[in-house]
Parts: sequence; structure tokens; C-alpha cells
Amino acid sequence: DIQMTQSPSSLSASVGDRVTITCRASQSIISYLNWYQQKPGKAPKLLIYATSSLQSGVPSRFSGGGSGTDFTLTISSLQPEDFATYYCQQSFSTPPFTFGQGTKLEIK
Amino acid sequence: EVQLVESGGGLVQPGRSLRLSCAASGFIFDDNAMHWVRQVPGKGLEWVSRISWDSGSIDYADSVKGRFTISRDNAKSSLSLQMNSLRVEDTALYYCAKEYYYDSSGWYFDHWGQGTLVTVSS
Repeated sequence: DIQMTQSPSSLSASVGDRVTITCRASQSIISYLNWYQQKPGKAPKLLIYATSSLQSGVPSRFSGGGSGTDFTLTISSLQPEDFATYYCQQSFSTPPFTFGQGTKLEIK
Repeated sequence: EVQLVESGGGLVQPGRSLRLSCAASGFIFDDNAMHWVRQVPGKGLEWVSRISWDSGSIDYADSVKGRFTISRDNAKSSLSLQMNSLRVEDTALYYCAKEYYYDSSGWYFDHWGQGTLVTVSS
């Protein structure tokens, strides 16, 4: 099974900061990597699929990159509504349909 | 508008059974595979099970294999999860999620329900 490891597990940042979250796969997943955002009490929401494709309606300050085993989610200028938990997920080798453990982005 | 509405959660004793349902609307249900994903409150997301559009392919996480059964009724646009031999560690918020598939290894969850809470406790 492919394991997904995110870093950091939590992160404190300020509005306007540029933030990068990393996701590492235990083996190559080529570019089959998705990112989700989850706010407290809400269901997860798809942000990015296939490493770098922005889901419709997602602000352009979100971007994704990487390939193989190492991937990033970058928020170019943090907005108040971006404070949430972010999860990566691989779709290359399934089942299982593995998520990372999550990165909680908090206000500094 | 796509809607996924879960129901059936509640408090149940260890070893007992519970059946979750997910009512889907706003899309062609039998065009898509569907999943159950769970989340222990305050913890991360754990995939539970997947069923293909025609029920011809079904997968389970090792943690629930042999105890949970996923099924769907395309005529009613509904998804179910029969949970038997429940354990304390099955306590979680259970989401149904719609799969969007774009190539041989490319898919994602493009819509999620709001979840139904299952609490397993004596």
C-alpha cells in the first residue's frame, strides 16, 4: 500500500503570508495527487486534482506542484477563510484510497 | 446541484449492527462510483469502501473487511453501508462521497455529504 506523509502536521501563519504544505508518497504516484480543504464542522472540499489542476471555483492563490513522490500545496497570500486543515490523497494505486494525515493551518 | 445526504448514524453497543444510507440527487447516480470515508472527531480522513457504478467492483479498507458491506440501488439513487460487529474504534463521522474519474489512475472525490455520526459504546 502507498503511504502518504504530510508536513508539517500543523502550521501557524498570518494573513498575507505565503505558505507551502508538503506531501510525500512512499512510492511514485506520478502526478495522481489530490488536495482537499476541510473547515471545522464541514465536509472536505476538493481544491486541486492531478497535482496542479484547480477545481472550479477555487481561488487562484492556491496552486499545486510536484511529481513522483514529492508534492506541494502553496497558498500565495493567506486569506482569513484559508485557515483550515488540508489533506493530500493519492489515486495512482488503489485500493486503499490513501489520505495524508492532514496539515492544520492556524492563525498566528 | 449535487446533494449527498447521509442518515442512519447513532449510538450502538459494541458487537451490534447499524446501516447507513446516503441519498443522492443532482447528478446521474449510476454514472459514478461511490465511496464511504470516515473521520474520528478531531482526527484525519480514512477511506472505508468503494463501489463501482454497477456494483461490479467493490473494495474495503482492511480495518472493515469482513464486517462492513457496501451496496447501492441505482433506481433509488441511494448508497448504503451495512456495518456489523461494530467496534469502539469504528466510532466516527461517516461521509459518502462521489467519485469523479478522469483517466485510468485519475480520480478524486468531487462531492461529499455532511456526514452521519456513528458512536460505538457500551
